[in-house]
Amino acid sequence: QVQLQGSGPRLVKPSQTLSLTCTVSGASISSGDYYWSWIRQPPGKGLEWIGYIYYSGSTSYNPSLQSRFTISVDTSKNQFSLTLSSVTAADTAVYFCAGWYSSSRGYFDLWGRGTLVTVSS
Amino acid sequence: DIQMTQSPSSLSASVGDRVTITCRASQSITNYLNWYQQKPGKAPKLLIYAASTLQSGVPSRFSGSGSGTDFTLTISSLQPEDFATYYCQQSYRTPHTFGQGTKLEIK
Repeated sequence: QVQLQGSGPRLVKPSQTLSLTCTVSGASISSGDYYWSWIRQPPGKGLEWIGYIYYSGSTSYNPSLQSRFTISVDTSKNQFSLTLSSVTAADTAVYFCAGWYSSSRGYFDLWGRGTLVTVSS
Repeated sequence: DIQMTQSPSSLSASVGDRVTITCRASQSITNYLNWYQQKPGKAPKLLIYAASTLQSGVPSRFSGSGSGTDFTLTISSLQPEDFATYYCQQSYRTPHTFGQGTKLEIK
């Protein structure tokens, strides 16, 4: 059974950089079946796709967001990561790591539990 | 970006009711449409992909239909565990976008 486990700080100060990591277990991140994704959800609000990375390092980001996000992959550790620079209170959200299965029209069928990140001084 | 609009935003229903949630895309997405269920404090769970294909393990009381711009999620007979928030999501083009959600509450 494939599992995703997110990790990272729960509290970040404004203007600092947020770094989150997602560890994939039960499958190889290099299998090629999935695009490894980050999705966020502000408290009480809907879901927003941030972007994803393929095991090769190819990325796609949501252009509606400022270009403060960077997604990277470490195949040797079976992990992928999200970095967000210059955070503000508007970045307070639950951050989910997810796997987007690219066949059958594409869908998110793997999800981590989510990490609530609060931006506050 | 492709905008996804769900209706209604909230819905009250009783156990055993038949419920339909609608999702409209701002342009044609053929059948690149997925439905998710989210319960408080949990990650979303995939219910239906490609507009009408039931994900493995999901009860058959859930069904999806539609193509182009208009889609529906139907729950044929509500069970207590179905009270949650439902989201549609398009995979036709990046950025992948979600509807604003439909909160299904107990009447």
